[in-house]
Amino acid sequence: SQTIHQWPATLVQPVGSPLSLECTVEGTSNPNLYWYRQAAGRGLQLLFYSVGIGQISSEVPQNLSASRPQDRQFILSSKKLLLSDSGFYLCAWTRDTDTEAFFGQGTRLTVV
Amino acid sequence: QKEVEQDPGPLSVPEGAIVSLNCTYSNSAFQYFMWYRQYSRKGPELLMYTYSSGNKEDGRFTAQVDKSSKYISLFIRDSQPSDSATYLCAMSAYSGGYNKLIFGAGTRLAVHP
Repeated sequence: SQTIHQWPATLVQPVGSPLSLECTVEGTSNPNLYWYRQAAGRGLQLLFYSVGIGQISSEVPQNLSASRPQDRQFILSSKKLLLSDSGFYLCAWTRDTDTEAFFGQGTRLTVV
Repeated sequence: QKEVEQDPGPLSVPEGAIVSLNCTYSNSAFQYFMWYRQYSRKGPELLMYTYSSGNKEDGRFTAQVDKSSKYISLFIRDSQPSDSATYLCAMSAYSGGYNKLIFGAGTRLAVHP
């Protein structure tokens, strides 16, 4: 069966510090991978998606970047965090042509 | 205008009530319609998935899609306290080699005993 791992679960970082959130998928190959951010009281905002290794597309301009160094690994990064980067970050995957998205448990990031 | 609009609530109902959750959308390219349930501090889980206009039933849950009106609904019958969660509608269209999923803001539902 397929599983998705996302860590850490919670993170408190000072403004200006770097960020690295990691997501890995097991039990499938060549998944489509996604990073979403969920702010309090708001929906899921798509940040990045990837259809393959090294292929990253950004949905919104921001202080964040994403990388996919391996088929089942997706990393969200920032060189310098802003207060506005606080939120609940979710990694998700879908099969190539399927629409059902499977989500990780999320990382709650608080920038102080 | 947002691609998907969903009333964030919160919605509070007594146990046993019928709950109606709704979303509207503007992009006629959306082909797949989903409802996700998200418990506090957890990732969303798929609840219902429909492709065409019409109704789809699964136990106490009924998903309804009206493509002509660009309107989707989720009905929960005999609501239970365990149904208390945030419900997110989601829609997708296959474009550029991937399924672009767009979510509504989510409606927070509280079912009280």
